[in-house]
Amino acid sequence: DIQMTQSPSFVSASVGDRVTITCRASHDISSWLAWYQQKPGKAPKLLIYGASSLQSGVPSRFSGSGSGTDFTLTISSLQPEDFATYFCQQANSFPPAFGGGTRVEIK
Amino acid sequence: VQLVESGGGLVQPGGSLRLSCAASGFTFSSFWLSWVRQAPGKGLEWVANIMQDGDEKYYVASVKGRFTIFRDNAKNSLYLQMNSLRAEDTAIYYCARVAPTTALYYFDSWGQGTLVTVSS
Repeated sequence: DIQMTQSPSFVSASVGDRVTITCRASHDISSWLAWYQQKPGKAPKLLIYGASSLQSGVPSRFSGSGSGTDFTLTISSLQPEDFATYFCQQANSFPPAFGGGTRVEIK
Repeated sequence: VQLVESGGGLVQPGGSLRLSCAASGFTFSSFWLSWVRQAPGKGLEWVANIMQDGDEKYYVASVKGRFTIFRDNAKNSLYLQMNSLRAEDTAIYYCARVAPTTALYYFDSWGQGTLVTVSS
């Protein structure tokens, strides 16, 4: 099975900051990667799929990059509504697997 | 798109529970569907997938042989029959729609979740 490792597990940042989250796959997953945002008590929300394709309705301050084993999610200018936990997920092979999550909190 | 889960609750180890997910706002029979779970304070774990007509089903190893995913396209409903429940099955269970891309594992809509607690 493919393992997904996110770093850091916790980020403290201010409104307006640029935030970058990293996700590493244990094997090559090409560009079969998604990013989700989850707020406390809520379901996850798909932000990005195919490593860099923005899901409809997601603000353009979110972007994704990478291929193979190393991927990044960037929030170009953090907004108050972006404080949440972010998960990466590989969609290349069975079974799909999620990273452990990165919690973005207010500094 | 709306997905609404129900059926969660407290059950003893070894017991059974059936979760339901009522869908609306899209052509239910055209989409793969999934169950994804999240243990309290933990990360996400994919549990099972089912094809549009219900013919193909896939499970994570830890639930295979104990859980059964099925659907009723006439009722726009997805189900998860959970038998031989264990403490480690305690989680919020989410119903999720698989995005209409070439991948089978992008989840573009989620329900609010239903909590399953396995404890004596």
